[in-house]
Amino acid sequence: KQEVTQIPAALSVPEGENLVLNCSFTDSAIYNLQWFRQDPGKGLTSLLLIQSSQREQTSGRLNASLDKSSGRSTLYIAASQPGDSATYLCAVIHFNKFYFGSGTKLNVKP
Amino acid sequence: EAQVTQNPRYLITVTGKKLTVTCSQNMNHEYMSWYRQDPGLGLRQIYYSMNVEVTDKGDVPEGYKVSRKEKRNFPLILESPSPNQTSLYFCASSPRQGFNYGYTFGSGTRLTVV
Repeated sequence: KQEVTQIPAALSVPEGENLVLNCSFTDSAIYNLQWFRQDPGKGLTSLLLIQSSQREQTSGRLNASLDKSSGRSTLYIAASQPGDSATYLCAVIHFNKFYFGSGTKLNVKP
Repeated sequence: EAQVTQNPRYLITVTGKKLTVTCSQNMNHEYMSWYRQDPGLGLRQIYYSMNVEVTDKGDVPEGYKVSRKEKRNFPLILESPSPNQTSLYFCASSPRQGFNYGYTFGSGTRLTVV
């Protein structure tokens, strides 16, 4: 069974720092990987979708990479801002199901 | 606006009183799914539907029912809710499952069963 792990579980950084969130998965047979942002008590907002044939995707200050062979993805956030504070979740599509990590709770201090 | 709409956003009910949480998408997506999110357990899939009249169990289907009579709607039914079904529920849709498409999520339904 596919398992998705996110490290660290929580992260607190001062504003302006560049940071990396990690996501690992146990089975490399995935269709794609998606990064989401979740604000407290709210729904999930899609940030980036990396298809299995791609190595990375970029959107503004966000860059996500995918290494299927090693079962890893990273989400890079440049010049972090207090508004980036949220929980970040990664999810992989493995056969006919999505598998989610437990998330990294990010706090960016002003 | 393309979206997944869930109702209600918040619901407090008593044990055993049947309830339905509605989910509707306006993107003509074939695939729809329900998840529950609990602290420390992350998001777990309850049921999913590959298309109209096609549904299947996810990881935690016990105590839930679904139906997919129309492409746009995928209601979640709790026939006899129990306190262990207190959770945050999300509906999601995707154009198709497993073909390099991502998910669009609804805003969530916070259910409390007392």
